[in-house]
Amino acid sequence: DIQMTQSPSSVSASVGDRVTMTCRPGQHISSWLAWYQQKPGKAPKLLISGASSLQSGVPSRFSGSGSGTDFTLTITNLQPEDVATYYCQQAKSFPLTFGGGTKVEIK
Amino acid sequence: EVQLVESGGGLVQPGGSLRLSCGASGFTFSSYDMTWVRQAPGKGLEWVSYISSSASVTYIADSVKGRFTVSRDNAKNLVYLQMKSLRAEDTALYYCARLTGDTVTHDYWGQGTLVTVSS
Repeated sequence: DIQMTQSPSSVSASVGDRVTMTCRPGQHISSWLAWYQQKPGKAPKLLISGASSLQSGVPSRFSGSGSGTDFTLTITNLQPEDVATYYCQQAKSFPLTFGGGTKVEIK
Repeated sequence: EVQLVESGGGLVQPGGSLRLSCGASGFTFSSYDMTWVRQAPGKGLEWVSYISSSASVTYIADSVKGRFTVSRDNAKNLVYLQMKSLRAEDTALYYCARLTGDTVTHDYWGQGTLVTVSS
């Protein structure tokens, strides 16, 4: 199984800040990575697939980068509505595995 | 509009069984692979099962293998998760989700159905 490690587990930032979080799979997964946003009490929402492809309707302040064993999700100009937990998921092989999540809060 | 609606959750005693259903609408159901993902209270996401569009291929997570099975009825636009020998650690919100074919990511999710295993 491919273990996914996310860091930090939580981050607190001010409105307008740039927030960066990382996801490290336990083995090389090329660009087979997705990012999801889960707001409290809601189902997850797909933000990015293929490591860097923004889903339709997702604000451009979200961006993904990386390949292989090192991936990053960046939120530029953090907004109050971005308060959520963000999960990465490897799509290289079954079992599909998720990272433990990064919780984003507003200072 | 794509919609996924789960049902069948509830309170069950340890060792009991439940069958979850997920009804799909707004897309050609028979063309998409589907998965079940669960989330224990206050915890992260855990993939549980996968079923291909034609039901010819299924995968089950090791944590539930031998106890859970996944199936689908393309004529009724339904996917099922049959759960037996339930344990306290199976307590979770169970989501069904549509899987994209090209990127193997979950592009649409239901609202989830809660399964509580307790005596």
